[in-house]
Amino acid sequence: DAEITQSPRHKITETGRQVTLACHQTWNHNNMFWYRQDLGHGLRLIHYSYGVQDTNKGEVSDGYSVSRSNTEDLPLTLESAASSQTSVYFCASAPGQGQYEQYFGPGTRLTVT
Amino acid sequence: AQKVTQAQTEISVVEKEDVTLDCVYETRDTTYYLFWYKQPPSGELVFLIRRNSFDEQNEISGRYSWNFQKSTSSFNFTITASQVVDSAVYFCALSEVVAGNMLTFGGGTRLMVKP
Repeated sequence: DAEITQSPRHKITETGRQVTLACHQTWNHNNMFWYRQDLGHGLRLIHYSYGVQDTNKGEVSDGYSVSRSNTEDLPLTLESAASSQTSVYFCASAPGQGQYEQYFGPGTRLTVT
Repeated sequence: AQKVTQAQTEISVVEKEDVTLDCVYETRDTTYYLFWYKQPPSGELVFLIRRNSFDEQNEISGRYSWNFQKSTSSFNFTITASQVVDSAVYFCALSEVVAGNMLTFGGGTRLMVKP
């Protein structure tokens, strides 16, 4: 069955370290997204991609970067982790834009100490 | 300004009660899409429904129903005869063409159904 996976599921890191969160989907979806979920804020968009070599900034992109070298993967990198980036991170994919629902991965809980 | 508002941060009901989760949105777009997602205690996000701006028909799926009213910019979600398994956080979301069809989520409503 097609799916979307995230790894690791839990991560503890120290302030200032570079961290990469992986996202892999097997639906062959062109569109992929990264969100963070914090209490009181719902989900906020960090970065998104409409296809290979395409990346775009979302609402809360400062301190994060993504790259899209193939259809299946959209890794999220925290260049220099900060305590404010402690959050739950969700990756999602969709076959197209707008009317298509997004399918979410299981989430990664990141703690920056 | 917040584009999707879920004013109820937490609701507690007793099993078998009906409950309505409110969602109010703001957009200048004429073509847009509204969604509801469920996040159970296990943490995953589950898609429940999508509605486009041209279709104001209410929808019913088992114990779930949705009321879309463009006149009041609302897309409310009702659970009839609630069950403990309905306990979750529910998110309403908006996708606007003018915003590149990105999903904007409300803050979520935590529903607790007590036995």
